[in-house]
Amino acid sequence: DTGVSQDPRHKITKRGQNVTFRCDPISEHNRLYWYRQTLGQGPEFLTYFQNEAQLEKSRLLSDRFSAERPKGSFSTLEIQRTEQGDSAMYLCASSHVGQGYGYTFGSGTRLTVV
Amino acid sequence: TQLLEQSPQFLSIQEGENLTVYCNSSSVFSSLQWYRQEPGEGPVLLVTVVTGGEVKKLKRLTFQFGDARKDSSLHITAAQPGDTGLYLCAGNQAGTALIFGKGTTLSVSS
Repeated sequence: DTGVSQDPRHKITKRGQNVTFRCDPISEHNRLYWYRQTLGQGPEFLTYFQNEAQLEKSRLLSDRFSAERPKGSFSTLEIQRTEQGDSAMYLCASSHVGQGYGYTFGSGTRLTVV
Repeated sequence: TQLLEQSPQFLSIQEGENLTVYCNSSSVFSSLQWYRQEPGEGPVLLVTVVTGGEVKKLKRLTFQFGDARKDSSLHITAAQPGDTGLYLCAGNQAGTALIFGKGTTLSVSS
């Protein structure tokens, strides 16, 4: 297993366009998380899945954001009608279920909205 | 709202110096983790602590979880340029996802 993979690594889009990111977790991990990170800040939680079920979603998450994990394997994060404030690094992580298990993060997708 | 506050926000030291980074909250956490992140990459797990008062050592790094499980510290002995990076603490309660502090940016010059 090569770890958590995210695609693309970089995305530049015009304001108002829709974008979709993909995350492939470690195969034996059943939890998958999405975070957003801006410069000088720690990762901000967006949402997470256990298998295909979306168990938690940040109250701060706009309705323009949606995530899916249809078969309990890979996940996609879609942002509709992008805004300049959406520019950030979008990080995906996976882990085992259970207290104290660390997360394995991907290298992230850097989104720039122009 | 669970908040994790890290201090200091920035730290610039010379090779060989010791340093301590603090992570504090008013909430009790089931576990607390420390990560290190390099520019353009995702955070990498350093350690997980789950028991109040627990101390873990990883080579020159010493991690401590407060007795009340509300705070933690990371101590680095004899820092090296390779220790440069963003250090993040993160905590969770049972069934919830990790929340992260804002991080401490460490720069070690030779």
